[in-house]
Amino acid sequence: QSVLTQPPSVSGAPGQRVTISCTGSSSNIGAGYDVHWYQQLPGTAPKLLIYGNGNRPSGVPDRFSGSKSATSASLAITGLQAEDEADYYCQSYDSSLSDVVFGGGTKLTVL
Amino acid sequence: EVQLLESGGGLVQPGGSLRVSCAASGLTFSSYAMSWVRQAPGKGLEWVSAISGSGGSTYYADSVKGRFTISRDNSKNTLYLQMSSLRAEDTAVYYCATSRSLITFGGAAWGQGTLVTVSS
Repeated sequence: QSVLTQPPSVSGAPGQRVTISCTGSSSNIGAGYDVHWYQQLPGTAPKLLIYGNGNRPSGVPDRFSGSKSATSASLAITGLQAEDEADYYCQSYDSSLSDVVFGGGTKLTVL
Repeated sequence: EVQLLESGGGLVQPGGSLRVSCAASGLTFSSYAMSWVRQAPGKGLEWVSAISGSGGSTYYADSVKGRFTISRDNSKNTLYLQMSSLRAEDTAVYYCATSRSLITFGGAAWGQGTLVTVSS
């Protein structure tokens, strides 16, 4: 049971918009700790996609965006492409656990 | 370009020890906090440990506290994770990553990972 809750899977057709939610609590996202998002393509290492709630590292397309509100965060992907098919993880810090915490991951399928 | 290359993974018996390494290049290594993150087969990501740029501060997940030791040699641009009293549940791919923040992580650059298998 992950401290941050993500849907196990989402799907969308090419060109569509999908969102992935990350629900936390008052000891992590709600306490003001940053949320980061990672993309893990099949058989590869994770890659930082969004940092500090809504910032994109250099090289990440602006089709990817992040937002945060209260005790949850969201990753939005617009103009869905086949190459976006991957696992996506949110990550924050939990002050009650004094630990870095990850969501359980969401598998994105491009139909 | 930042490159991180893990090594040292392998098969180890329960109760045994293993040290994995992460060689870094393309960055001023001593300026970066570093972390280890693991991923059990078919499972999600789990943060394991972090160390400050100087090596003076270290942090561990409860699941490995007292059994794993993180360290670094800034003269060799290398990060280490010494693992002892290994259990079957420690079986995972171990990734090293640069940390945007020592405490809250935010892994900017990741290695390709090294597989540690704990089995008799």
